[in-house]
Amino acid sequence: QVQVQESGPGLVKPSETLSLTCTVSGGSMNTYYWSWIRQPPGKGLEWIGYIYYSGSTDYNPSLESRVTISGDTSKNQFSLKLRSVTGADTAVYYCARVYTNYSYRYVDVWGTGTTVTVSS
Amino acid sequence: EIVLTQSPGTLSLSPGARATLSCRASQSVRSNYLVWYLQKPGQAPRLLIYATSNRATGVPDRFSGSGSETDFTLTISRLEPEDFAMYYCQQYDRSPWTFGHGTKVEIK
Repeated sequence: QVQVQESGPGLVKPSETLSLTCTVSGGSMNTYYWSWIRQPPGKGLEWIGYIYYSGSTDYNPSLESRVTISGDTSKNQFSLKLRSVTGADTAVYYCARVYTNYSYRYVDVWGTGTTVTVSS
Repeated sequence: EIVLTQSPGTLSLSPGARATLSCRASQSVRSNYLVWYLQKPGQAPRLLIYATSNRATGVPDRFSGSGSETDFTLTISRLEPEDFAMYYCQQYDRSPWTFGHGTKVEIK
């Protein structure tokens, strides 16, 4: 059974870069989208972006100028970098697998989430 | 960007009651790409319904989804204690993939 797990610093200083890695275990990264989603404290879910197994990416326009998602299929990992962070970027960050075929698309595997606080 | 508006924001009901949650889209969404998730405090969301009306594996049949174009509904026929949680709709039809702000189903 495929699992994904986030890792990275829980505390980032304002104006610095938030860096998280998601490790995929129990399966291949092939044929899926791999996504980052975040949830500020007490708020709803926000889609950050994805990387397709082929390497193509797509980002939420609200974050696009600051975000990069990259992948390394040989290591079964993908990563998130969010630059110039502020307190508004404090959130639980989830990595997730997006199942897709010609008919459907949905997140079928979620990480447990990692809390990132932006503070000096 | 497709904006999803969920209503009501909070639904206060008793166990055994029927819950009807709405998700309205600012533009038409192909039904294959409308999904519902459930989230409990401190946990990651969990897939409930995909493609508007298909229950995910292991989801009880008291959960059902319906709708088309801009109006979608999640119905819980008889609320069980474990159903009191947050519910989110999401669309994957057009980038950016967007979530609704959620409906909280709480015990009355």
